[in-house]
Formats: sequence, structure tokens, C-alpha cells
Amino acid sequence: KQEVTQIPAALSVPEGENLVLNCSFTDSAIYNLQWFRQDPGKGLTSLLLIQSSQREQTSGRLNASLDKSSGRSTLYIAASQPGDSATYLCAVYTGFQKLVFGTGTRLLVSP
Amino acid sequence: NAGVMQNPRHLVRRRGQEARLRCSPMKGHSHVYWYRQLPEEGLKFMVYLQKENIIDESGMPKERFSAEFPKEGPSILRIQQVVRGDSAAYFCASSPPDGGYYGYTFGSGTRLTVV
Repeated sequence: KQEVTQIPAALSVPEGENLVLNCSFTDSAIYNLQWFRQDPGKGLTSLLLIQSSQREQTSGRLNASLDKSSGRSTLYIAASQPGDSATYLCAVYTGFQKLVFGTGTRLLVSP
Repeated sequence: NAGVMQNPRHLVRRRGQEARLRCSPMKGHSHVYWYRQLPEEGLKFMVYLQKENIIDESGMPKERFSAEFPKEGPSILRIQQVVRGDSAAYFCASSPPDGGYYGYTFGSGTRLTVV
């Protein structure tokens, strides 16, 4: 059974810091991995999708890497801003039709 | 191109009533997925549907919960005789036939409160 763990569970940083969010999964036989952002009381916004043949994806200040063999992904956020404050969710596709989510990292960026 | 539309955004039901949650997939998407987020817990898969077919309902509670995706109209998640433990955020996602190859698109969710 696939399990996804995110560390740390919560993170508080001052504005401008570069930070790394970690995601690990127990079964390396995944298809794709997707990072989402969830604001309080809101839906999920897709940030980055890393397909199984890829090792990383970049979008603006965000960079996500994937190492399937070790069961790890990291989300790197450069020059953090208060608007980045949210919960970040990592999710792995165990097939093309099912996602398993981690419990998230709650990020607070202070001005 | 509207995204995945869920309604209502918020739903309050008394114990024992029925809750109906609706999801309209993105244009061109024929696959719908429902996930539930209990308070302080992660999102959990409930059911995967294609038009007029339930493909995988392994995450659905055995009783009181049902889902459909008719040929015409939105997908419906139905909860009969709601209890306090059903209070949660219910998210719908959709995808084209190749599933998660390009990633799911999620709706904004329906927040169900049972009083």
C-alpha cells in the first residue's frame, strides 16, 4: 500500500528565504507526481507535475525534483514571499487513475 | 474554458438528511474522481467514474454513499442519512481519457457540515 509522507509538517520562515519541502513515498512504482497548493478553505491549485520519465520541473520560483528509485521528491521555493503561505501537498499517481496524497506541509512566510 | 465546477460550495445538513454534491468536469474531460478531506487529515480517494460507469469505488464507505456520472449532466455524490462524521470537504477532479498523464484538475470543493 502506497504511503506518502511530507516533512516538515509545518514551516515558518521570514520573507526572502529559499526553502525546501520534502516528500517521500514507500512504493517507487509510481507513474507521475504532482505538487499542489491549498489555501485555507479553498480548493487545490496544481503547481507542478513531474511525469515518470522526468527528473524535475520548473515554474517561476518553483522547482520540483523526483527520484523514483529512492522514493523522494523535493519542492524548492526560491525567494519566498508572504503570498506563498499555504499548505503544500505532494501526491503520487499509483496508476493513471488514482492519486495518493501526503498530509501536507503548512508554510507561513512572514513579512 | 471553465475549470471543474462544484456546487454548492458550502452545504449544511441536519443529521439524517441527504446531501447531494455536484461536479461538472472540464470541457473535454470524460473521467471524474471524488476525494474527501476530513478535518486535519489528508485527501483520500473515494471513487472514479466515467460516463455511465463506476470504474473504481474502492474508497467509498460501504453504506449511505453513492456516486453517478450520467450520460448528460454533472457527476453526483450522494450521501444518505448524513452523520456528523461525514462533515468534510469533498473535492472532485476530472481528466481526459489518459488519466493522470497530464495531471488532474481539481474543483474548489464542497464543504459539508452536518449539524
